[in-house]
Amino acid sequence: AQSVTQLDSQVPVFEEAPVELRCNYSSSVSVYLFWYVQYPNQGLQLLLKYLSGSTLVKGINGFEAEFNKSQTSFHLRKPSVHISDTAEYFCAVTRTGTASKLTFGTGTRLQVTL
Amino acid sequence: EAQVTQNPRYLITVTGKKLTVTCSQNMNHEYMSWYRQDPGLGLRQIYYSMNVEVTDKGDVPEGYKVSRKEKRNFPLILESPSPNQTSLYFCASGLNLAGGPSTGELFFGEGSRLTVL
Repeated sequence: AQSVTQLDSQVPVFEEAPVELRCNYSSSVSVYLFWYVQYPNQGLQLLLKYLSGSTLVKGINGFEAEFNKSQTSFHLRKPSVHISDTAEYFCAVTRTGTASKLTFGTGTRLQVTL
Repeated sequence: EAQVTQNPRYLITVTGKKLTVTCSQNMNHEYMSWYRQDPGLGLRQIYYSMNVEVTDKGDVPEGYKVSRKEKRNFPLILESPSPNQTSLYFCASGLNLAGGPSTGELFFGEGSRLTVL
């Protein structure tokens, strides 16, 4: 089985500052990795994903993530955040060969202030 | 417009009174799933369905039932709700083609907030 650990439950940051949200996964087989975002009072939407190939993946709204197989990590980064990035961010994993059965982490709440 | 529709969005009920949360998608997706979201626990999968008439337990199936008689609908049934089922519930759907461009892309409903007294 796969599992995901998001070490930070909350990350406060000032607007225009850089941010990194950490995600580590555990799996005995190859995996696909994802980041989802949940804005207040909404469902989740896909931010970016790693399936194969380049370990640096770019997503919507200026976010990017880097897959590090040796450290089993998939950290999310943005060089300069905006107030509108305030949301909850979920890392998710599924084993290769399955398309949609995702296991989610517990989430990191990103709070951007002026 | 492509969407996943859940009803009701908000519900307050009492212990033991059977209820059904409906979920419908208009994207012809094979895969559908129910999650519950609780503070500090993230999203936990309740049940999922790979296609019509194919359902399977997720990580927290106790106290819930599902059915998949049609491709577009995936209702969640609480036969005898209890207070520990008070939660925010999400239905999601996606394609079932591993490795393709749609891999892992789930479309979520807006959520159903259930309170069991």
